[in-house]
Amino acid sequence: AQKITQTQPGMFVQEKEAVTLDCTYDTSDQSYGLFWYKQPSSGEMIFLIYQGSYDEQNATEGRYSLNFQKARKSANLVISASQLGDSAMYFCAMREGKHSGGGADGLTFGKGTHLIIQP
Amino acid sequence: DTEVTQTPKHLVMGMTNKKSLKCEQHMGHRAMYWYKQKAKKPPELMFVYSYEKLSINESVPSRFSPECPNSSLLNLHLHALQPEDSALYLCASSHGLGAGGSYNEQFFGPGTRLTVL
Repeated sequence: AQKITQTQPGMFVQEKEAVTLDCTYDTSDQSYGLFWYKQPSSGEMIFLIYQGSYDEQNATEGRYSLNFQKARKSANLVISASQLGDSAMYFCAMREGKHSGGGADGLTFGKGTHLIIQP
Repeated sequence: DTEVTQTPKHLVMGMTNKKSLKCEQHMGHRAMYWYKQKAKKPPELMFVYSYEKLSINESVPSRFSPECPNSSLLNLHLHALQPEDSALYLCASSHGLGAGGSYNEQFFGPGTRLTVL
């Protein structure tokens, strides 16, 4: 079973509209973290926003907010007032504590959503 | 300095060549990562170093050999690669203290685009 599911392979959105990118996850851990990254065509992964499993409030970073519904295991990214420069691939990722004991854990990524903002 | 640098940006190599990818960060992070990303696919974790020790190897073939000479540097040595190893290789770093907290954000470098002929 996939750990991270992004059901929207591609999206077209008009400039200045808000957009929601879907992400559901699967884990049996109590402690985990959820991340959203943006990857332009240049290839670099740009961190957007983070939500911890114990965080009670939804995370916000500027135009980005995360709609975290723990019971549904969803962590949707909302981009308000979209801009042409938002066109990119967007990945949802999860960090579980499977290698706990003070060590670091890698991220598991979803397949991504290719977002295109139209003028 | 909040940057992860990777060299080279592009690399073309034959199947009999030996080459190395380099990654450097000066953020004081104690965890460093290698990911492999094939075209139109998400990144896949290869290796994790915590405090300069290899802590995770995701069953990567031995033709990929990681090395962490110090807390700022991470290398990936390549030998006898196959054409299917052609991909974008991403390096990342983080504070590296378990699953909790936003300080575990992973900062990614720009990647090395590797082509194996």
